[in-house]
Amino acid sequence: QKEVEQNSGPLSVPEGAIASLNCTYSDRGSQSFFWYRQYSGKSPELIMSIYSNGDKEDGRFTAQLNKASQYVSLLIRDSQPSDSATYLCAVVSGANQFYFGTGTSLTVIP
Amino acid sequence: EPEVTQTPSHQVTQMGQEVILRCVPISNHLYFYWYRQILGQKVEFLVSFYNNEISEKSEIFDDQFSVERPDGSNFTLKIRSTKLEDSAMYFCASPNPAVSTDTQYFGPGTRLTVL
Repeated sequence: QKEVEQNSGPLSVPEGAIASLNCTYSDRGSQSFFWYRQYSGKSPELIMSIYSNGDKEDGRFTAQLNKASQYVSLLIRDSQPSDSATYLCAVVSGANQFYFGTGTSLTVIP
Repeated sequence: EPEVTQTPSHQVTQMGQEVILRCVPISNHLYFYWYRQILGQKVEFLVSFYNNEISEKSEIFDDQFSVERPDGSNFTLKIRSTKLEDSAMYFCASPNPAVSTDTQYFGPGTRLTVL
């Protein structure tokens, strides 16, 4: 069984701070990694993808991947109240099969 | 950005009835997926569909479930003889080939309530 683990939170940060979200995965052969944001009652919304070790930046978001440690993270800089949501880590294994973590609930306090 | 659409947005049914959930994926690609999310739980893969055939399916996707492409643009997920535990959000997803073939964009979902 391929597992994707995330701290469920809740994680609370003040507005303007950096939010750090973490994810570990069990399938060492995984090659594609994604972060999604999900607002309550809505569908997951793609934030970023990352495929290579290291950092990938997109605006206020930075994804970090360490395949040796089977670890992927998401940093959100200058957090805004609108960033309050559940963040889902997704890992692709096998023939394009996505495995999702349970998500980390983030609250940005104004 | 191209969108994935789903109908209905909410379906209420009696236990034992059959339901059909519909999706129109992003056009001009061959991969298509169904997921479900029970309230408060994680998104779970059900089935992937490639070039008009099931590509992969999870252990959740048993004989109670089926997928079809009844015409060139629509995909359906049929759940026969629904059970209380089938109550969940059902999402379809497809890649956006303009971005890459392994990203997945989700539709708005159908909330299925089995009474």
